[in-house]
Amino acid sequence: GAGVSQSPSNKVTEKGKDVELRCDPISGHTALYWYRQSLGQGLEFLIYFQGNSAPDKSGLPSDRFSAERTGGSVSTLTIQRTQQEDSAVYLCASSFGQSLLYEQYFGPGTRLTVT
Amino acid sequence: SQQGEEDPQALSIQEGENATMNCSYKTSINNLQWYRQNSGRGLVHLILIRSNEREKHSGRLRVTLDTSKKSSSLLITASRAADTASYFCATVHTGTASKLTFGTGTRLQVTL
Repeated sequence: GAGVSQSPSNKVTEKGKDVELRCDPISGHTALYWYRQSLGQGLEFLIYFQGNSAPDKSGLPSDRFSAERTGGSVSTLTIQRTQQEDSAVYLCASSFGQSLLYEQYFGPGTRLTVT
Repeated sequence: SQQGEEDPQALSIQEGENATMNCSYKTSINNLQWYRQNSGRGLVHLILIRSNEREKHSGRLRVTLDTSKKSSSLLITASRAADTASYFCATVHTGTASKLTFGTGTRLQVTL
């Protein structure tokens, strides 16, 4: 079946511009996560959505970052006024349920480069 | 930071040899998971071990967990060139039900 998809796969933007990254989770998965991975580093948690509950935004690094999930499915991560330190691979994952005993399925990521 | 650390940072072995990677973490956990990442992109879940388990097997993978030492190890037996990847441990910490905290990763290179 279809896995988690993300678009675009690559994005180059100028400093100060806004960007939107999209994630399509696996159908039927109620939990959705965004992570950021800087070059050669592990993953940094950004935000978590579970069903209709309020999202856990505790990992967002600044108020320039926001995310929404429409209809419990597709999610968009928005970065306003991008900075060079925002350059990273942004990974989305989804899982079947709320408990983290369910494995997370990752998308291929969006590589963001801020020039 | 709760981020775990992995050791070694890089490992190079020949095909057929075993590879062992270690992960340490700082605060109590509900479970620990291992993931593999190829070419700096999507991660693939390998195995999950709960805090009340000490050892788990899946094919050529063996994971151990020592909660008293706050550490885990991943053993890949009879390695293959296709095992070349980065391997990350990820922990679910007590009281943080929504988050996976990832370690810094071990880059494994398996040569023919």
